[in-house]
This record gives sequence, structure tokens and C-alpha cells, in this order.
Amino acid sequence: DQQVKQNSPSLSVQEGRISILNCDYTNSMFDYFLWYKKYPAEGPTFLISISSIKDKNEDGRFTVFLNKSAKHLSLHIVPSQPGDSAVYFCAARNTGTASKLTFGTGTRLQVTL
Amino acid sequence: NAGVTQTPKFRILKIGQSMTLQCTQDMNHNYMYWYRQDPGMGLKLIYYSVGAGITDKGEVPNGYNVSRSTTEDFPLRLELAAPSQTSVYFCASSYEGGLAGAKNIQYFGAGTRLSVL
Repeated sequence: DQQVKQNSPSLSVQEGRISILNCDYTNSMFDYFLWYKKYPAEGPTFLISISSIKDKNEDGRFTVFLNKSAKHLSLHIVPSQPGDSAVYFCAARNTGTASKLTFGTGTRLQVTL
Repeated sequence: NAGVTQTPKFRILKIGQSMTLQCTQDMNHNYMYWYRQDPGMGLKLIYYSVGAGITDKGEVPNGYNVSRSTTEDFPLRLELAAPSQTSVYFCASSYEGGLAGAKNIQYFGAGTRLSVL
């Protein structure tokens, strides 16, 4: 039972363009969502998060949008840079579960020159 | 500031062998976690701890054991290694409580790549 889904295993975007990574979830008890970025041979690093009481959070080139009615969130990267090439994981926290996170399967982003 | 440190980085085990994956953090975080990541999959929670002396099972705990005798250390023990335990293991920590809005940002180590043959 995959409660957090990232249906696109990979995405290729030209440098300077917008990258949009999508994530869907099924558990309506999730109250906090995070995006992590992972380079090869490294651990995931926190990128940006959003609470379920908001619909948008922005941090520099990165913006996360949350549509609670559709149980969908997306990460926008504008403009995309070659250093953004990595695997991006969406994660969600379930209210009252000792802050445990449920991760999606990841989307590999490649930013080409 | 080292953050979360995992050792070893790589290990090959024979079926039936045992080993301990080490994890230590220097951020005084109260929560610690162990995940495994199989190819093409997300991270799955094995065990977690909300403080020294307190541990609990995650989604995939079978075949593993943990202990948390100090705030800093959270070792993961494999008693009888099986090929199904071939994976990349990540340890993470977070601070829970305190300021409102400091919500579960987990900091990860670089991982241990384990092969069981």
C-alpha cells in the first residue's frame, strides 16, 4: 500500500527552464509534507516543506504547492540548474505517529545544458 | 559539525553472518531513525527511537534489532544476514518538541551499502 506516490521515475529539463516534480498521497491524516534531494552516494538532504494548513511555500528557486482536495503536491524549481540534477523524494508525516515519515519512490531529475 | 555519521560505508556479508551498523549524531537530537532503500524504491522505516532507552518498530523491522543507550548513538544489528537484507541503509535524526514549526526535519547520514551473498 503505497501511501505516497511519485509516478514519474525520471524527468529531463533544460537548464533555465522550470522543473515540476509531482507527488500524490492517499492518507488524509498527513499533516506535513517535505521534499528531500539526494545525490549519488550521499544521504537525502532536506529541501523544503509545507504544512497542511498552507497551499504554497517558497524558498528561493524552490516552491512547493499543496492541493489538499486533490491530495497532490508539487515542487517547482525555477530556473533549473545543472546542480539540481539529483533524485527528489516526497515525504509525508502522519498526525500522531511520533513524527514518522512516509517516503515516495523518488523522481530522478536531470537538468541538461 | 559532523551531523550524522554512519560506519561502515560498504560491507559484504555471507548468509548467516551478523553485523552492527553504527550511527552517531552530534546535534543533540532526541529522535533517531533507521531506513533501508532498495533499488527503485523509497525509504522504508526499520526502527526508530524517541530518546535514550526508547525504541519502536517501523514498517520493516523483521531481521533487525536496535538499542539506544545514549542520545548520540543508535546502532542497528543484523543477526542472521539474508540476501533480502541487501540494501542501502540510512540513519537519520531530528529534534522534536520545542519551538512551534520545528517539525520533523530529518538529517541523514551518507548511508551504508550492504550486500549479503
